[in-house]
Amino acid sequence: GQSLEQPSEVTAVEGAIVQINCTYQTSGFYGLSWYQQHDGGAPTFLSYNALDGLEETGRFSSFLSRSDSYGYLLLQELQMKDSASYFCAVSFHGGATNKLIFGTGTLLAVQP
Amino acid sequence: KAGVTQTPRYLIKTRGQQVTLSCSPISGHRSVSWYQQTPGQGLQFLFEYFSETQRNKGNFPGRFSGRQFSNSRSEMNVSTLELGDSALYLCASSLTGEEVTEAFFGQGTRLTVV
Repeated sequence: GQSLEQPSEVTAVEGAIVQINCTYQTSGFYGLSWYQQHDGGAPTFLSYNALDGLEETGRFSSFLSRSDSYGYLLLQELQMKDSASYFCAVSFHGGATNKLIFGTGTLLAVQP
Repeated sequence: KAGVTQTPRYLIKTRGQQVTLSCSPISGHRSVSWYQQTPGQGLQFLFEYFSETQRNKGNFPGRFSGRQFSNSRSEMNVSTLELGDSALYLCASSLTGEEVTEAFFGQGTRLTVV
């Protein structure tokens, strides 16, 4: 089956750096993406890795290694507003298909 | 540009009833996907529509159905509601094609079944 595992909770302090890991057991996907969701609101897109390596977007960076079945989201200079749930997701291909499979989600708590 | 719009935002239904949720994608987006989010199961893929055709379906019973109209707006229907159907239902739109590089989500419909 397809599964993406994330730590359920991570706690960090303002100004720090935090890494949220995503390990997966699936194959044949286009790329790995990350979404942020505040308290039951709409998930919002953060980043997408089509290729192995690091993608940087401001304070957020995302990494993918297909050989290790692993990716991570790196958040730098943490702010209180970064407290939210973070989801990794894979975009699948195969025929005429277009779907995202989401990870279990990580609740990030940023403390002052 | 206007985002993804879902209506209604909140619904309370009783067991056995049916419900219809609506999603208007971003203008120009032809793919609409639906997800169910619960605390225990996370974000689960329900189905995806593209140009009025269902291209993908997740592992949900036949009580869950959907459709897409020619203007790309989509509806999902849940019949014979069960308590376990209480969840946040999210709709996401993306431009087209097969690779979802970025999906745009609506605020969701919070369904409570009592």
